Amino acid sequence: DAGVIQSPRHEVTEMGQEVTLRCKPISGHDYLFWYRQTMMRGLELLIYFNNNVPIDDSGMPEDRFSAKMPNASFSTLKIQPSEPRDSAVYFCASSSNRGGGETQYFGPGTRLLVL
Amino acid sequence: AQSVAQPEDQVNVAEGNPLTVKCTYSVSGNPYLFWYVQYPNRGLQFLLKYITGDNLVKGSYGFEAEFNKSQTSFHLKKPSALVSDSALYFCAVRDSGGYQKVTFGIGTKLQVIP
Repeated sequence: DAGVIQSPRHEVTEMGQEVTLRCKPISGHDYLFWYRQTMMRGLELLIYFNNNVPIDDSGMPEDRFSAKMPNASFSTLKIQPSEPRDSAVYFCASSSNRGGGETQYFGPGTRLLVL
Repeated sequence: AQSVAQPEDQVNVAEGNPLTVKCTYSVSGNPYLFWYVQYPNRGLQFLLKYITGDNLVKGSYGFEAEFNKSQTSFHLKKPSALVSDSALYFCAVRDSGGYQKVTFGIGTKLQVIP
């Protein structure tokens, strides 16, 4: 398996623009997570899905952030409008609900810079 | 609520010496505990986990961790450090009775000195 795939790997945009990050989880995994990593706040869980349904979005910072999972093999995280404080590395991870204590597999991340 | 503490921002160790990266946790029920490693410009990679059973868990790249319920700790260890072990290490926990939401620590930077 190719692992979790994220695109783009790098994104530079200007304040106010819409940004869309994409994720393809590992085939067969039924959980998908979006995280944000910054020096100041470390690794933060933004939202996670189970069987394509959002379960907990309490980590989404504000209404400018939205996430969707239209099918088992694709998810998007959208920021509209983007702000400089959104600059961070965004990770997608997936796991399967088998055996308890499921391991999360992380993608390589998208490094976002908002100017 | 569940939480993880990694008390050291950075750990320095000489190559060939044993290393320990500390982690303590708090959960309301029984814990599932994890260690992940992150190399520069990469995503997190799973190292090992404790679910139940033996308190000493062995994982990838010669790492192991010891679960101590009375001290609510899950320290990561390796008998002999390699320069290639230099990376950022994350401890994580979730309540066994909960959903998949895992709480990560802030990370500890391990620097192995040649």
